[in-house]
Amino acid sequence: DGGITQSPKYLFRKEGQNVTLSCEQNLNHDAMYWYRQDPGQGLRLIYYSQIVNDFQKGDIAEGYSVSREKKESFPLTVTSAQKNPTAFYLCASREGGYNEQFFGPGTRLTVL
Amino acid sequence: GQQLNQSPQSMFIQEGEDVSMNCTSSSIFNTWLWYKQDPGEGPVLLIALYKAGELTSNGRLTAQFGITRKDSFLNISASIPSDVGIYFCAGLGNQFYFGTGTSLTVIP
Repeated sequence: DGGITQSPKYLFRKEGQNVTLSCEQNLNHDAMYWYRQDPGQGLRLIYYSQIVNDFQKGDIAEGYSVSREKKESFPLTVTSAQKNPTAFYLCASREGGYNEQFFGPGTRLTVL
Repeated sequence: GQQLNQSPQSMFIQEGEDVSMNCTSSSIFNTWLWYKQDPGEGPVLLIALYKAGELTSNGRLTAQFGITRKDSFLNISASIPSDVGIYFCAGLGNQFYFGTGTSLTVIP
């Protein structure tokens, strides 16, 4: 089964702690993305990566970090510097040369 | 980053009715995508549009890429209860930009 997996589905964190969200895809897609979704707003881009070992900041990168050591994996770390981290986080991927973007099932992060 | 204007924000319709929603942008896009999202789940791609004026169908769904390349429309015909969810658009310029979503409720 080809697709994008995100884990965990729900994540709880205490203030001041860093937490890493996992995103894996077996679609052999070149590009991967992280978005944040808040109620009443459109998706906002955090980071994206078009090839392994390269990534770019999106519109709201502050307080987040990523790595792209393997083509299939693009983990997102939410650091303690992120002022309002409680949100639904979506990972997406896209095959090079095509304009269709596919999403994973999401991770809901709650900061207690 | 830019967010697309999507309307209506919410719709309450009777089963069997047709639905129309649209997205507008201040920028020109190369591609328009339409997604459906169920609560707590990831969005599912419904339709992709690649050129101005294009009209594409997927079952009871029909979407159009506006002539100006700044808007797109989604129609759902003969709605059924499982159409319930949030529909949103995405436009591709130098990156993807997203609409704020249309929440659809279908009353049996």
